[in-house]
Amino acid sequence: AQTVTQSQPEMSVQEAETVTLSCTYDTSESDYYLFWYKQPPSRQMILVIRQEAYKQQNATENRFSVNFQKAAKSFSLKISDSQLGDAAMYFCAYRSDFQGGSEKLVFGKGTKLTVNP
Amino acid sequence: KAGVTQTPRYLIKTRGQQVTLSCSPISGHRSVSWYQQTPGQGLQFLFEYFSETQRNKGNFPGRFSGRQFSNSRSEMNVSTLELGDSALYLCASSAQGLTTNEQFFGPGTRLTVL
Repeated sequence: AQTVTQSQPEMSVQEAETVTLSCTYDTSESDYYLFWYKQPPSRQMILVIRQEAYKQQNATENRFSVNFQKAAKSFSLKISDSQLGDAAMYFCAYRSDFQGGSEKLVFGKGTKLTVNP
Repeated sequence: KAGVTQTPRYLIKTRGQQVTLSCSPISGHRSVSWYQQTPGQGLQFLFEYFSETQRNKGNFPGRFSGRQFSNSRSEMNVSTLELGDSALYLCASSAQGLTTNEQFFGPGTRLTVL
């Protein structure tokens, strides 16, 4: 079974600075998808960024980018120019490509990000 | 387009009771997944329904069950509630396509078991 580990329960960053959240995963599969989800205090979970394992290029979405190291099974999220609205729980998630089309996600325990003004 | 809606938003039950939670996916989405979120265990997959059929199931006891209707709305039921069932229950919907699709999450139902 796949597992996702987020080793930083909490992180803090100054507004306008850059922060990197870590995520490692364990799988024997070669094809899969990785995601970062954000859950603000209001509880609505939203997708931040996604990465297909077959793509070597790291995904980027505006101020958010990932460092995907397939061999090391590492998938970190970098937030540049941090804003107060970035404060939230961030979850790393794994989706297998070998589950009959199922959308099942395996989540890490999350990292609580605090942004200081 | 309206987002994923879940009802009720808050629920208080006592041990031994049963509860039904409802999830309405985004219009056109046929896949609905359910997750349990607790401080101790984090987010755990309960089950997924697609076109009224259970497509995947997590490692939860049989007290947890679900179903999906022809309009893609889904319900989950928990029978004989235990204190440990207190959690935020999230549902997520997605469309189907040739590539992975984003899952859109609802606001959740906060269940408290006394």
